[in-house]
Parts: sequence; structure tokens; C-alpha cells
Amino acid sequence: EVQLVESGGGLVQPGGSLRLSCVASGFTFSSSEMNWVRQAPGKGLEWVSYISNTGFTIYYADSVKGRFTISRDSAKNSLFLQMNSLRAEDSAVYYCARGKGSSSDYWGQGTLVTVSS
Amino acid sequence: SYVLTQPPSVSVAPGQTARITCGGNNIGSKSVHWYQQKPGQAPVLVVYDDSDRPSGIPERFSGSNSGNTATLTISRVEGGDEADYYCQVWDSSSDLVVFGGGTKLTVL
Repeated sequence: EVQLVESGGGLVQPGGSLRLSCVASGFTFSSSEMNWVRQAPGKGLEWVSYISNTGFTIYYADSVKGRFTISRDSAKNSLFLQMNSLRAEDSAVYYCARGKGSSSDYWGQGTLVTVSS
Repeated sequence: SYVLTQPPSVSVAPGQTARITCGGNNIGSKSVHWYQQKPGQAPVLVVYDDSDRPSGIPERFSGSNSGNTATLTISRVEGGDEADYYCQVWDSSSDLVVFGGGTKLTVL
């Protein structure tokens, strides 16, 4: 069974940093592309970042470029999102999702990030 | 940047057919994916590559894509289909994933 479990969310002040993690199981993580997608309270889905199976290809949404960094550790079946210079508008549930072509076929349950003073 | 436009809401009676549209410039040239999201839950992929269904998704869910509009069709709608639905594409010109704004399906 494919499982994706996010962690690392919490309350952080504006300008602060957080590192999200996503542990994968039930599939060959090292062969899979991965995405981070977020959803602000009461709002729609917003794609954040993509990383290829090798880690060599990375893309970011314009809203996070220069502030967020996606990475992976295939030895630990883990995906990460380092978030710096956080803003109130970054407050959201953050989901990791497995890539299937240009879609995402499995999603974690998400971790909540709240940016507030 | 590429924009996907969905109606905010669609209502349908049980047993009828719901059609949710997703508009975008020449969207017919892209692969469109659809997600279902129920309150408090993670999204679930229900249609990918315009019209393919992942395993476990009922045949009642189907998709089409042509010209400037992609459509998710849900036949014989059930109360359990009530959810938010999102379309999504990959915009290769900008290397960005794009989601539509979402459509709330209400089963009357």
C-alpha cells in the first residue's frame, strides 16, 4: 500500500523557517517524481514544487521561488521542503504527492503550516 | 502564465449526470487531470491524461478534452460524489503545474 506521511508543520513567525518532511512507503521512491502542493484554509490547491526521481530536475512556483528548496533522500525514502522567509500567505496545509506523468496519483494527508506573530 | 477556469459550483440531482468544465487556451493540446477532494481529506486523482481512470475509480467518472475546454463527466451521480473537483495541467512553456480554481459539486 502506497503511503505518504508528512510532518514538520507548525506555528512560525513571519520571516521564520520550517522544514517539512514526507516519508514514503509501499512503492519504489527512488524511481518516483514528487510534488509539494499546498492549500490555504478555505482555498483551492496550489502547486509549490516538483523534483525528479534523480533530484536533478527541480521546478518551483513563482510564489515560492528563492525562498523554498525541495530535496530528497532516496536512501531514507524521504522528501523535504525547506521553507525560509515565511509570509502569512504561506499559511496552508502542505501535501506531498507522488508524480504520475504530469499528474499526482497518491497524496499524503498533509501538514499544517501557520505563519503568524 | 497559463490559467484554468472552472465554474465555482455545479448542482445536480441524484442519478443525473454532472458535467464540470475546465477552460484554458488551447487546453486540448495538453493532458488534463482531475482530482476529487472531500472536506478534511486529501485530494484523490479520479481522471488522468484527459480520460484515463486510476484503478478503483468507478466507470461513472469520465473525461474529455478538446479545443479550449476539458470536461469531467460524472454519470449516475450519488450523494458520495459531493466534493470539490479540481482540474490540473502541466504548462510546458513555463515548467509549472497549474490547477483550476475548483468546482464545488452539490448533490441536491
